[in-house]
Amino acid sequence: DTGVSQNPRHKITKRGQNVTFRCDPISEHNRLYWYRQTLGQGPEFLTYFQNEAQLEKSRLLSDRFSAERPKGSFSTLEIQRTEQGDSAMYLCASRLQGGMNTEAFFGQGTRLTVV
Amino acid sequence: DQQVKQNSPSLSVQEGRISILNCDYTNSMFDYFLWYKKYPAEGPTFLISISSIKDKNEDGRFTVFLNKSAKHLSLHIVPSQPGDSAVYFCAASGTGNQFYFGTGTSLTVIP
Repeated sequence: DTGVSQNPRHKITKRGQNVTFRCDPISEHNRLYWYRQTLGQGPEFLTYFQNEAQLEKSRLLSDRFSAERPKGSFSTLEIQRTEQGDSAMYLCASRLQGGMNTEAFFGQGTRLTVV
Repeated sequence: DQQVKQNSPSLSVQEGRISILNCDYTNSMFDYFLWYKKYPAEGPTFLISISSIKDKNEDGRFTVFLNKSAKHLSLHIVPSQPGDSAVYFCAASGTGNQFYFGTGTSLTVIP
């Protein structure tokens, strides 16, 4: 396993268009997280999954955002009717959550630019 | 509300000297703390972590110290190397759920 994989690495879209990003976590990891990072800020939590169940969503995740992890493996993050304020780095992370605390491993991110 | 704070946006250190990066948190329910390193246009890379039952964890050149009463942790890098130049993020979690990140400290190690 080569780690967390995110596609595409870069996406440029026109305002109002829909975009979808994909994340393939480390295979045995049951937790999958989506974060967003803008310039000068740390990663901001968007949502996370335990297997296929979406357990928590941030208030940053407006109704234009939806995330799925249909079979508890890969996940998609869709943004509908993109706005310029959606321009950011979207980061996916995965973790094996069991009885002990463990670190999360991040992918390379998807850089979204809305023009 | 920023539950994890890194008050120093940047730090410059001479090669071979010690780098000390600081982090403060406000939520007493946090029980796991991590440091990540990030290069431009890449995702964060895990460096080192510490559980709230410990006050120190060491891994090679990297040591994390946790002061629970002060709600403060620090990352020491000794000796600092030019390849350590990156943005360092402190993160915290409680009950194994989401991670809360600080705003990062940009470390420059001068050769």
